[in-house]
Amino acid sequence: SYELTQSPSVSVSPGQTARITCSGDALPKQYAYWYQQKPGQAPVLVIYKDSERPSGIPERISGSSSGTTVTLTISGVQAEDEADYYCQSADSNGTYRVFGTGTKVTVL
Amino acid sequence: EVQLVESGGNLVQPGGSLRLSCAASGFTFSGYWMTWVRQAPGKGLEWVANIKQDGSEKYYVDSVKGRFTISRDNAKNSLYLQMNSLRAEDTAVYYCARDCSGHSYGPGFDPWGQGTLVTVSS
Repeated sequence: SYELTQSPSVSVSPGQTARITCSGDALPKQYAYWYQQKPGQAPVLVIYKDSERPSGIPERISGSSSGTTVTLTISGVQAEDEADYYCQSADSNGTYRVFGTGTKVTVL
Repeated sequence: EVQLVESGGNLVQPGGSLRLSCAASGFTFSGYWMTWVRQAPGKGLEWVANIKQDGSEKYYVDSVKGRFTISRDNAKNSLYLQMNSLRAEDTAVYYCARDCSGHSYGPGFDPWGQGTLVTVSS
């Protein structure tokens, strides 16, 4: 089955930049999505179609894509950005959805 | 306001059955794919199943094929997940989410419900 691979954790000081990568063979063909999940809460969409930001999501959160890797960047990290982040996409046919393994962002 | 509210989670014995429901409001339910996602305690997100607007297409993750059935009632703005032959590894919080395929966001999930807990244990 298709898999998306993320680094398990990222630690960053306030004001610095956090980068989270997600790798998958079908990412050149399928859009990637990013979700933020805080403890005890449902996930929230923060990036769609690789790099678009839904309304209400701060500009410091951005997404990019290059080949088989997509990246979520959080610039000027704030304490409220501490959360688990998941990428999501689809298999090469676009039929089955899949989530990445998740990355825990810790703000020091 | 777009809202999704799940219900039906409970403690069930291995081999048992459970039906989850998701009530949708604030948007044209019949115009969207819908999906179920689960999260085992302390683990990551796992996509479970999705269903097309008219119910004509349904897809499942391999681990639930033949045991779970996704369905919808557009007249009631409701999504369902019938879960049979439940196993301990099905223990998770189950979320319903609007699947934005064919809309401006593309095949991502927004918004999500608050989730309902299913525990499979003897």
